Amino acid sequence: EPEVTQTPSHQVTQMGQEVILRCVPISNHLYFYWYRQILGQKVEFLVSFYNNEISEKSEIFDDQFSVERPDGSNFTLKIRSTKLEDSAMYFCASRGTGTGFSGGYTFGSGTRLTVV
Amino acid sequence: AQSVTQLDSHVSVSEGTPVLLRCNYSSSYSPSLFWYVQHPNKGLQLLLKYTSAATLVKGINGFEAEFKKSETSFHLTKPSAHMSDAAEYFCVVTTTGFQKLVFGTGTRLLVSP
Repeated sequence: EPEVTQTPSHQVTQMGQEVILRCVPISNHLYFYWYRQILGQKVEFLVSFYNNEISEKSEIFDDQFSVERPDGSNFTLKIRSTKLEDSAMYFCASRGTGTGFSGGYTFGSGTRLTVV
Repeated sequence: AQSVTQLDSHVSVSEGTPVLLRCNYSSSYSPSLFWYVQHPNKGLQLLLKYTSAATLVKGINGFEAEFKKSETSFHLTKPSAHMSDAAEYFCVVTTTGFQKLVFGTGTRLLVSP
């Protein structure tokens, strides 16, 4: 079964440093997403990406965040200057087209980001 | 705006007894609804989805959910709990447009021997 692959699984970074979280979506999917889950809290939407541009973003997704699809396979989330409150599990997801949600979302296993 | 409310933060059952995890939704449109499960230190796994077809939806691992428009509910059930069912369960609704997922706060299912 096709998978969404996220790397690394765990990253520790110092406050103020830049981090790039990487995702390889399912190859024929067209919609890409980042979500995050702060420890003990619910999963929150960050951004959606379609046709090489951001289609929607949440209020969390401020100027410190950016996304990119640098080639045909990777989808990255960059945090320019990390803050302690950016510590969370970050999930990448992709979705294909099709009737309604017959394809559904597929989530990666997440990257746990710890900012110290 | 779409939203979901999971009515219980924790549910405790004994192995072999039925499971009921409750979810109410709010949506201006005909919603698509999902249940996801998250085992400790794992990612999000789709259990089942409702997309305006049959109101009783069967998922993996013996779980099912029934969409009740009159009650705006989408409760998750399983006839007999297994120890491996212990996890966090999220009720999720979609939005229009590019159809981001809106998650509930989660219900932690505890299964005792």
